[in-house]
Amino acid sequence: AQSVTQLDSQVPVFEEAPVELRCNYSSSVSVYLFWYVQYPNQGLQLLLKYLSGSTLVKGINGFEAEFNKSQTSFHLRKPSVHISDTAEYFCAVSEGSGGSNYKLTFGKGTLLTVNP
Amino acid sequence: KAGVTQTPRYLIKTRGQQVTLSCSPISGHRSVSWYQQTPGQGLQFLFEYFSETQRNKGNFPGRFSGRQFSNSRSEMNVSTLELGDSALYLCASSLAGAGYGYTFGSGTRLTVV
Repeated sequence: AQSVTQLDSQVPVFEEAPVELRCNYSSSVSVYLFWYVQYPNQGLQLLLKYLSGSTLVKGINGFEAEFNKSQTSFHLRKPSVHISDTAEYFCAVSEGSGGSNYKLTFGKGTLLTVNP
Repeated sequence: KAGVTQTPRYLIKTRGQQVTLSCSPISGHRSVSWYQQTPGQGLQFLFEYFSETQRNKGNFPGRFSGRQFSNSRSEMNVSTLELGDSALYLCASSLAGAGYGYTFGSGTRLTVV
C-alpha cells in the first residue's frame, strides 16, 4: 500500500528566505506525485505534479519540486518566500496504474508560516 | 471557467440524522472524488466515481455512500450521523483520474452535535 510521510509538521521561515518542505513516499509500483496548498477555510489548490520525464518539476507561485526515485522523495522548494505563502502544504501520491490511480493518498501536511 | 462547486458550505446536524452533500464538477470532468479532512486523521479518501460508476472506495463504514449522475454531478450521503463524522468534506474533479490532476472545491464543513 502506498503511504506519504511529510517530515515536518511546521516550518517557520522569514520573508524572502528559501524554504524546503520534505516529502517521502512508499509504494511498490510507479507513482504520480503531487503537491497541494490549502489556505484557511478553502479547498486544496494544485501546486505541481510529477507524472514522468524530467525529475525537476516547476509549478505555480515560484514553487518547484524534485523527484528522487532512489530516495523515494519529492521535496518542495521555493528560493524566496512571501508572507502570502503562509498556508498548509500537502504532498500526495497516486499509483500510476490500476485502481489506485483513481485516489490520492495524502501526507499529514506541513504548516508553512512566513514571518516578516 | 467555473471551478468545483460544493453545497452547502456549512451544515449542522444532530447525531443520528442523515445528510446529503452535493458536488458539481468542472464542465467536462468525468471523475469525481470525495475526501474527508479532520485534524486528527488528515485527508482520507472516501470514494471516486467515473461515468456514474464507483471505481474505488476508501476504508469507511457503509454509512458513507455516494453516487454520480449522468451530468457528472455527484452526491455523498452519510446516514446515522456520529459526532466523529464532523469534518470538512472535499470534492475533487478531474478529466479522468489522478494523472490529470484533481481540482478541489472549497468543501462542506459538517458539524454533528
